[in-house]
Amino acid sequence: QKEVEQDPGPLSVPEGAIVSLNCTYSNSAFQYFMWYRQYSRKGPELLMYTYSSGNKEDGRFTAQVDKSSKYISLFIRDSQPSDSATYLCAMNTNAGKSTFGDGTTLTVKP
Amino acid sequence: SAVISQKPSRDICQRGTSLTIQCQVDSQVTMMFWYRQQPGQSLTLIATANQGSEATYESGFVIDKFPISRPNLTFSTLTVSNMSPEDSSIYLCSVSGGSTDTQYFGPGTRLTVL
Repeated sequence: QKEVEQDPGPLSVPEGAIVSLNCTYSNSAFQYFMWYRQYSRKGPELLMYTYSSGNKEDGRFTAQVDKSSKYISLFIRDSQPSDSATYLCAMNTNAGKSTFGDGTTLTVKP
Repeated sequence: SAVISQKPSRDICQRGTSLTIQCQVDSQVTMMFWYRQQPGQSLTLIATANQGSEATYESGFVIDKFPISRPNLTFSTLTVSNMSPEDSSIYLCSVSGGSTDTQYFGPGTRLTVL
């Protein structure tokens, strides 16, 4: 079993929809939780970063961490075609090296 | 956040040859990593580049095939040796630094082996 499981895609939504991207994990030692966005033919770009449980909001993006359930989510409000990308969750234990999910490819249709 | 550059951005190579990829960071970082990402797949960690000592390789990756150098805290190289078409992939440099332990990625090197 993988340490990090990410909801498989692909996901296709109409412009303006609310998108929910999710990951579960098994290692209770994870403390740092990240979401990366990767456009085609580009390197992953850090989108959101959260330490421990709770919510963090940045514009249209909200990252949510529930350590009791070992579950993290990224919500995108008012999704735009420019949000079309692959989203990767990642987490680590303060040891510098992150464990990544397999990614969810999102397409937002105009 | 760290700004990371990689050279070359892409290359097409012949089977049996070697390619060295460079990674340069605009600030000193504690940890540098090399990843491989095959088409449509997620990231696979090749190794952690350690400054002043030998790299730490993940299972399935060996130094003879992927020698790594890290002469200082801002620079590293990854060599893909004796290449075969199966080595065609995107190779990504990543760094971790500061108090957050988040990782930042370079733009990647797209390698095609014929």
